[in-house]
Amino acid sequence: EPEVTQTPSHQVTQMGQEVILRCVPISNHLYFYWYRQILGQKVEFLVSFYNNEISEKSEIFDDQFSVERPDGSNFTLKIRSTKLEDSAMYFCASSEREAFFGQGTRLTVV
Amino acid sequence: GEDVEQSLFLSVREGDSSVINCTYTDSSSTYLYWYKQEPGAGLQLLTYIFSNMDMKQDQRLTVLLNKKDKHLSLRIADTQTGDSAIYFCAEEAGGYNKLIFGAGTRLAVHP
Repeated sequence: EPEVTQTPSHQVTQMGQEVILRCVPISNHLYFYWYRQILGQKVEFLVSFYNNEISEKSEIFDDQFSVERPDGSNFTLKIRSTKLEDSAMYFCASSEREAFFGQGTRLTVV
Repeated sequence: GEDVEQSLFLSVREGDSSVINCTYTDSSSTYLYWYKQEPGAGLQLLTYIFSNMDMKQDQRLTVLLNKKDKHLSLRIADTQTGDSAIYFCAEEAGGYNKLIFGAGTRLAVHP
């Protein structure tokens, strides 16, 4: 069964460093998303991406965040200068209609 | 703004039915979803219902939607220990697959 794949599963980074979280969406899907879940809090929408551009983003998705589809298979989330409060589980998802989620990347900023 | 509320914990005996409830606020939501999260795993899509339906059945799962009360429920028949997980209700609000999630209901199944 096709699935969304995320790498790495865990990432530890120092505050102020840049991180790139990677995702391989399901191959025939055209819509891509990033969500995050801070420990103990709800899963929150960050951004949706379609046709090589952002279609919607939340207030959380500020200038420190960017997304890219660098080739035909990968979808990345970059955080330019990480803060302690960026520590969370980051989920990638893709869809034709209903969204399928990856296993998540646990980001820890120290 | 949009909000989704769920009870945080449910404990059932193996073989019984489980009913997980959810309320949402956005009456314009077109799709409502149930996701399952097992320990250390991602969000697994269980089922969804379109807003013009009031019931959807898929094997052991039954989704009921009361649009008037903005209430969604997930019934799991013959609950098994493998059903132990966190169940998230989500509404699609304001954007294509822009999902607003509830806090999740932790289902514990005991013998």
